[in-house]
Amino acid sequence: QVQLVQSGAEVKKPGASVKVSCKASGYTFTSYDINWVRQATGQGLEWMGWMNPNSGNTGYAQKFQGRVTMTRNTSISTAYMELSSLRSEDTAVYYCALSSGGSSFDPWGQGTLVTVSS
Amino acid sequence: SYVLTQPPSVSVAPGKTARITCGGNNIGSKSVHWYQQKPGQAPVLVIYYDSDRPSGIPERFSGSNSGNTATLTISRVEAGDEADYYCQVWDSSSDHQGVVFGGGTKLTVL
Repeated sequence: QVQLVQSGAEVKKPGASVKVSCKASGYTFTSYDINWVRQATGQGLEWMGWMNPNSGNTGYAQKFQGRVTMTRNTSISTAYMELSSLRSEDTAVYYCALSSGGSSFDPWGQGTLVTVSS
Repeated sequence: SYVLTQPPSVSVAPGKTARITCGGNNIGSKSVHWYQQKPGQAPVLVIYYDSDRPSGIPERFSGSNSGNTATLTISRVEAGDEADYYCQVWDSSSDHQGVVFGGGTKLTVL
């Protein structure tokens, strides 16, 4: 079955960067886009951007432009999301999720908690 | 940028019908997707392209979309349906194309 497994929780200091991984299985890695969505505690879902694993093309939400980078390693079917210049407001659970051509997100990874604290 | 508006909360008695709305400017011209999220879990797709159900989602879940409002309807509500629900669209109409989520609706089963 299609599955996305994310890396474990991270604790970072303000100003640092974090890189979260999302390992895909159960399908051809290059067939679907990978999106990243975050959720602060008690808050709603916030889309960060998408990446086409085949071409490497990306599209980022304006809010994160200049701070987020989405990459992939096709040899190990893994996508990455790196967020830089972290601040306390970036403390959230970060999810990866599959989509195709502007469709819905399904499935989702289990989420990775990133805590930014001095 | 495009905005989706959901009621913060909806309450319903078991066995009754819950309707969760998602308002947006001419949302009927867009495809709306709905997600269910239970505490401590990742979101799960329950309705896609306005009214289609993924395999494994009960027929009690249905969706509609017209004009300025999309609606997720849950019939014969069960205790296990208690969760947060989010609507989502892809916005390609503004300068900043991308995905938009509604603020979420907490469904409480009385």
